[in-house]
Amino acid sequence: EVQLQESGPGLVKPSQSLSLTCSVTGYSITSNYWGWIRKFPGNKMEWMGYISYSGSTSYNPSLKSRISITRDTSKNQFFLQLNSVTTEDTATYYCARYLDAWGQGASVTVSS
Amino acid sequence: DVVMTQTPVSLSVSLGGQTSISCRSSQSLVHSDGNTYLYWYLQKPGQSPQLLIYKVSNRFSGVPDRFSGSGSGTDFTLKISRVEPEDLGVYYCYQGTHYPNTFGAGTKLELK
Repeated sequence: EVQLQESGPGLVKPSQSLSLTCSVTGYSITSNYWGWIRKFPGNKMEWMGYISYSGSTSYNPSLKSRISITRDTSKNQFFLQLNSVTTEDTATYYCARYLDAWGQGASVTVSS
Repeated sequence: DVVMTQTPVSLSVSLGGQTSISCRSSQSLVHSDGNTYLYWYLQKPGQSPQLLIYKVSNRFSGVPDRFSGSGSGTDFTLKISRVEPEDLGVYYCYQGTHYPNTFGAGTKLELK
């Protein structure tokens, strides 16, 4: 059974970078697609992007050049980096195997 | 971006009753490969979203047959029959046909 677990700082200062790790067990990230999705306060959900089994990526244009998704296949982990964060980036961040298995989510607050 | 319009915003239902949620997309969700990548998720309180229905009408593994999906093109429906307490939460539709992928705003299912 695949399991995903997000980890990273719960508090980030404005203008800094948000970095999260998704650790995957029970399934290799060299298969399938692996995504990041966030849920804002309230119910709004936003697809952020994915990294594929081959390492190719696709990002939401709304995040422009701020986002990067990378991976470490030796550790079976993939990563989210979001640069130049503002308070508008406060959300719960989920990693997911596209899109049938999700992590529990990591709550990130952007505040000084 | 494709806008996913979910209605209603909230639903009040009796245990054992039946209800439905509508999701309309601003563009056809038929992909060039012939598939329609319309999904339904349920997020229970305190949990991550769980996949219920994929490609319009296919129940994901372990999902009871009380849940059924239908529709085509731009108009889709999730029906829930014989509502049980564990069905309560927020339901989302999601389209994976067009980039960026997008979610509906959510429908909160509550007990009457």
